Amino acid sequence: EPEVTQTPSHQVTQMGQEVILRCVPISNHLYFYWYRQILGQKVEFLVSFYNNEISEKSEIFDDQFSVERPDGSNFTLKIRSTKLEDSAMYFCATARQEQETQYFGPGTRLLVL
Amino acid sequence: AQTVTQSQPEMSVQEAETVTLSCTYDTSESDYYLFWYKQPPSRQMILVIRQEAYKQQNATENRFSVNFQKAAKSFSLKISDSQLGDAAMYFCAYRRGGGSNYKLTFGKGTLLTVNP
Repeated sequence: EPEVTQTPSHQVTQMGQEVILRCVPISNHLYFYWYRQILGQKVEFLVSFYNNEISEKSEIFDDQFSVERPDGSNFTLKIRSTKLEDSAMYFCATARQEQETQYFGPGTRLLVL
Repeated sequence: AQTVTQSQPEMSVQEAETVTLSCTYDTSESDYYLFWYKQPPSRQMILVIRQEAYKQQNATENRFSVNFQKAAKSFSLKISDSQLGDAAMYFCAYRRGGGSNYKLTFGKGTLLTVNP
């Protein structure tokens, strides 16, 4: 069964550094999402992306965040200058159509020191 | 704004028994979807079951079933014949059904322990 994959599984970075989290969607999926989960808290929506444009973003998704699909397969989340509070699990989710079920990747655990 | 509330931070069940996890939500929309996701210790989010609001029939997936009460805005998950592998954090989630922007809104989760 096709799955969403994410790399890396874990990343440790220093505060102020840039990180890029990668997601490979299920092949026929067109709608992409990033969510994050700070340890012990609920999963929060960050951004949705379709047709090379952001569809919606939350208040968390400030100017330090960006998303793109550089090569038609990977879907990336970039954090330009990481802060301690960016430490979280970041989940990519994809859907074939906008109204269809979102399938989640295994997540990237980001630790900012 | 939509909100999802899970009032049970933790629940436990004996292996082979039945447990029900509660979820309530608040929305002014009539077209929406509700989901239960499971997050085992590996922390991957796994879809357990999905319910369309326009369907009166409760969704069922093997040992997992829901009790969807639209008027009460309640969406509980029943796990029958609980197995050790069911131990996980369970999240209830809401998503609008029409228009655009189909982000998921999650509750805080219920940690389910299965005792042998």
